[in-house]
Amino acid sequence: GEDVEQSLFLSVREGDSSVINCTYTDSSSTYLYWYKQEPGAGLQLLTYIFSNMDMKQDQRLTVLLNKKDKHLSLRIADTQTGDSAIYFCAEGNQAGTALIFGKGTTLSVSS
Amino acid sequence: SQTIHQWPATLVQPVGSPLSLECTVEGTSNPNLYWYRQAAGRGLQLLFYSVGIGQISSEVPQNLSASRPQDRQFILSSKKLLLSDSGFYLCAWTGAIQETQYFGPGTRLLVL
Repeated sequence: GEDVEQSLFLSVREGDSSVINCTYTDSSSTYLYWYKQEPGAGLQLLTYIFSNMDMKQDQRLTVLLNKKDKHLSLRIADTQTGDSAIYFCAEGNQAGTALIFGKGTTLSVSS
Repeated sequence: SQTIHQWPATLVQPVGSPLSLECTVEGTSNPNLYWYRQAAGRGLQLLFYSVGIGQISSEVPQNLSASRPQDRQFILSSKKLLLSDSGFYLCAWTGAIQETQYFGPGTRLLVL
């Protein structure tokens, strides 16, 4: 079935790079997504990558996609305390009607 | 620009009481609309989605229901709440890019 897996926690020090990893099962998704959820808030679309791309860079964010291994990662350079949040990886379902989300990775940034 | 609203922001309800959560979208027409639930410490679970007025698809069996009386309005309801219905309910709509979803601020529901 369709599934998205993520590690649950990541702890880094301010200024370091953070790498959040995700694996998915359905390779028919046109796009793969990273969402950010701050405490008590809804999900904010952080970035997305077209499934035919290997990499996408957007300021401090770098998304890497290994389609062969069905592995997606989000790298945050120079991580700040404001980056502390839950990060969700998501892919489209086979029917193209909805997104399938991982359980989210809680990123904790210490100063 | 498009915006999505949810209300109420927070709700405390007794077990067995009814529920009505509302979601509205502005600045777009004929969006696909979604209801998700996020239980404490867990990921997002898709509950319902709608591709048009009166068209509702249910993803999981439960005591919740959804309705779409207008193009940009999506309502989540229950006749009798259960303790297990507690959680954070998020509404989302599909944007111009295929599959990309934009989320509302959420409603936190506590059933006691």
